[in-house]
Amino acid sequence: QLVESGGGLVQPGGSLRLSCKASGFTFSNYAINWVRQSPPRGLEWIAGISRLGDYAVYADSAKGRFTLSRDNARNTVYLQMDSLRVEDTALYYCAKDVNPPGIYGGNFWGQGTLVTVSS
Amino acid sequence: DLVMTQSPLFLPVTLGQPASISCRSSQSLVYSDGDTCFSWFQQRPGQSPRRLIYKVSNRDSGVPDRFSGSGSGTDFTLKISRVEAEDVGVYYCAYATHQSLTFGGGTRVELK
Repeated sequence: QLVESGGGLVQPGGSLRLSCKASGFTFSNYAINWVRQSPPRGLEWIAGISRLGDYAVYADSAKGRFTLSRDNARNTVYLQMDSLRVEDTALYYCAKDVNPPGIYGGNFWGQGTLVTVSS
Repeated sequence: DLVMTQSPLFLPVTLGQPASISCRSSQSLVYSDGDTCFSWFQQRPGQSPRRLIYKVSNRDSGVPDRFSGSGSGTDFTLKISRVEAEDVGVYYCAYATHQSLTFGGGTRVELK
C-alpha cells in the first residue's frame, strides 16, 4: 500500500511537504515516482528517487523548486515543494517501481493527495 | 521536447470485441541498456492509474492476457483482444528519455 499525505491549500510562493508512506512490501527494493494529475495538464511525471535514495531525477517543471528524499527506516518518501505556482495545483500520486525512477512510472500507485495553490 | 500523441481520443467499444489504441512519439528513443522505455497505463473511473505494460510489451503482474502491447521506434499499440466491462476508463501511453517520463493525453474507452 502507498498512502500520500501533506496536500492542502497554499498561497503562490509557498511551500508544502508531501509524504508517501509505504507498507506491505520491502520498501528499499523499489524506486518511488511522483506523478501529478490535473484537468488542464493531464498526467505529468514530476520526480523520482532511487530505491536507496542515492539519486533523484526531476522533470524540468520541478527542477530547482522540488526536492525528493526518502527514509527507508520509516518506509517513507518526502517531496518538498517550494516556490509553488498556481499551475502546480493537482492531485499528486506516488508510485512504486522495481525499475529505476523516471523510466516506467510505477506498477502500483497510491490514492493521491490534493495540492491547491491559490491566493 | 518529447510529445506523445494518442489516437483515437475517444473509443466506443463493444463487449467481447477487440479494441486498439495507438500512440505516436515525436522521437525514437532507446535507453542505454537497449530497452525501449515505453509503457501503457489504465485509469478506471474514480481510481488511481495503474500500469498495464512496460518495455513496450511486458505485462505487469495481475494484468489479464487480453491486454497486449507492441511497436517500436515512434509507433506503439495497445490491444485488448476481447473487451470486458471492467476495461472502461482512460488509457495513457508514456515514454521516457534521460529518466524523464512523458505521458500521452489519454484515450477514453467507453461501452457503446
